Amino acid sequence: KAGVTQTPRYLIKTRGQQVTLSCSPISGHRSVSWYQQTPGQGLQFLFEYFSETQRNKGNFPGRFSGRQFSNSRSEMNVSTLELGDSALYLCASSTGLAGVTQYFGPGTRLTVL
Amino acid sequence: DQQVKQNSPSLSVQEGRISILNCDYTNSMFDYFLWYKKYPAEGPTFLISISSIKDKNEDGRFTVFLNKSAKHLSLHIVPSQPGDSAVYFCAASPLPYSGGSNYKLTFGKGTLLTVNP
Repeated sequence: KAGVTQTPRYLIKTRGQQVTLSCSPISGHRSVSWYQQTPGQGLQFLFEYFSETQRNKGNFPGRFSGRQFSNSRSEMNVSTLELGDSALYLCASSTGLAGVTQYFGPGTRLTVL
Repeated sequence: DQQVKQNSPSLSVQEGRISILNCDYTNSMFDYFLWYKKYPAEGPTFLISISSIKDKNEDGRFTVFLNKSAKHLSLHIVPSQPGDSAVYFCAASPLPYSGGSNYKLTFGKGTLLTVNP
């Protein structure tokens, strides 16, 4: 099976712009979660989608949003970018059942100038 | 409030010896625990998991131990190899899934393991 794919791998944006990141989960996986990784902060949970519905949300401002399509692919959007949004954004997929492993994609490195 | 803590930012061991990475948690609702390995500029790779009904799980060179009363888990790598050098993350989630509000992984900040040849 192909793994989780994320596009693009690298992005450079300026403050105030918006950005959309894309994630394709492992075939058959219905859950997609998004995480932000910054130096010293580890991985912080953004939100999780299951069957096109947001099931869970982390403590991030409303500038961070997402959606999931009927084929389980997911997009994440960040509006009005700030310098502090520079991070590695990781997408993970799973079957969506309790106690199952999440499998991560390679991430999108976002740099905000 | 950090619910999953990896108190050692880094660990250095010799090739062939045992590596022990530790993780503590505070949330008593956590029932499922995972370890991931991460190389720079890559996504985390799943290593091994354990649920609260067990106190040990083995997979090849990797063994995870869970002490629920102490809210502590550890990952043992035996023998350690230079290719094991990476950042190791401990993660936890609650079980059973109860309608969506708790289904997420909470990660520690990671431990950088360096295995010296």
